[in-house]
Amino acid sequence: DGGITQSPKYLFRKEGQNVTLSCEQNLNHDAMYWYRQDPGQGLRLIYYSQIVNDFQKGDIAEGYSVSREKKESFPLTVTSAQKNPTAFYLCASSTNRQGSNQPQHFGDGTRLSIL
Amino acid sequence: EDQVTQSPEALRLQEGESSSLNCSYTVSGLRGLFWYRQDPGKGPEFLFTLYSAGEEKEKERLKATLTKKESFLHITAPKPEDSATYLCAVQAGETSGSRLTFGEGTQLTVNP
Repeated sequence: DGGITQSPKYLFRKEGQNVTLSCEQNLNHDAMYWYRQDPGQGLRLIYYSQIVNDFQKGDIAEGYSVSREKKESFPLTVTSAQKNPTAFYLCASSTNRQGSNQPQHFGDGTRLSIL
Repeated sequence: EDQVTQSPEALRLQEGESSSLNCSYTVSGLRGLFWYRQDPGKGPEFLFTLYSAGEEKEKERLKATLTKKESFLHITAPKPEDSATYLCAVQAGETSGSRLTFGEGTQLTVNP
């Protein structure tokens, strides 16, 4: 079945450690996105990529990094510079390019906690 | 800056008790308004896209409508399995690409 796979489902980070969250899609979508969701808050955009080898900062990019070397994959690294990383992280993809308005489809998230 | 506000924050209904959720938006050049359903510990599930004022979409017990300032998600005769958080998001402007701005959601609980 086509879809978006995020792994791991749960992740724990130690102080000073970088961790990488995986996101893979087999929907042949051009665009991919990373969001952070905190309790009682909506989704906030971290980074997005509309094409391979290109990505843009969202609203809360500080302390995070991404790469887009393949169309299917958009990993997110939470660096030690992110002082409050505990949250639910969601990856999404869509067929969008500039000017289009198709819906985004989401994976089932990774919950990151601090040890 | 695009803004999306959802109300109420939480809503409790009895099974069969119809109601509506509100999504108010302030954007420059709306290109699409999206409704999602999110179950606990899961990613949002796409429900509807609305593109222009006056448009309506239906799916089972849900009906979404759109005006120039807000969208409503009407729930008719809800069942306990409709319990979830409902998220509204907008896509706007010509330079923002495909990014969405989300509201904070309405947590719906339907009691049997």
